[in-house]
Amino acid sequence: SQELEQSPQSLIVQEGKNLTINCTSSKTLYGLYWYKQKYGEGLIFLMMLQKGGEEKSHEKITAKLDEKKQQSSLHITASQPSHAGIYLCGAVPSGTYKYIFGTGTRLKVLA
Amino acid sequence: DTGVSQNPRHKITKRGQNVTFRCDPISEHNRLYWYRQTLGQGPEFLTYFQNEAQLEKSRLLSDRFSAERPKGSFSTLEIQRTEQGDSAMYLCASSAVGSEETQYFGPGTRLLVL
Repeated sequence: SQELEQSPQSLIVQEGKNLTINCTSSKTLYGLYWYKQKYGEGLIFLMMLQKGGEEKSHEKITAKLDEKKQQSSLHITASQPSHAGIYLCGAVPSGTYKYIFGTGTRLKVLA
Repeated sequence: DTGVSQNPRHKITKRGQNVTFRCDPISEHNRLYWYRQTLGQGPEFLTYFQNEAQLEKSRLLSDRFSAERPKGSFSTLEIQRTEQGDSAMYLCASSAVGSEETQYFGPGTRLLVL
């Protein structure tokens, strides 16, 4: 079965710093989804990557999918307290529509 | 608001009681999913509907759990004879066919079994 591993598990950064979160899959990714979750709330969709080498940006967040489609990174530039939360990567294993998720990266941004 | 909605947002119950949660998906979405999330973990898949048909169920979904989507619109998730281990956040998501399978999540129902 396919598994997703995220690193780091938690991250504390000073406001204004850049940071990167990684998501590694045990199998080829056919779709990689990034979500943000605030404590006790639902997941907010950020971006979806499908093609090897693909890169997407939204405001100060950039996500990339490597050429081999087994690893994705999420990069936040000039972090702000509003970026704080749990970042989750999700994927759809071949032959199904359900998502599997990584365990999440907990981000805290110090003002 | 046209997002996914879930009710109730919070539920506290005593062990052994039955509970039912409701999910209203985005209106044009024909796929609906239930996930369970425990503290410090990512969401785990429970079950999935396409229209009114329940097409996939996780082994996590024991006999005490049942989900329905009778008219292909809203869905309910019932847990019978709740146990303390059922305490978790129950998340509902929906997606549309051909939308790159992006799932949009509701705010979740947090269940605490005492």
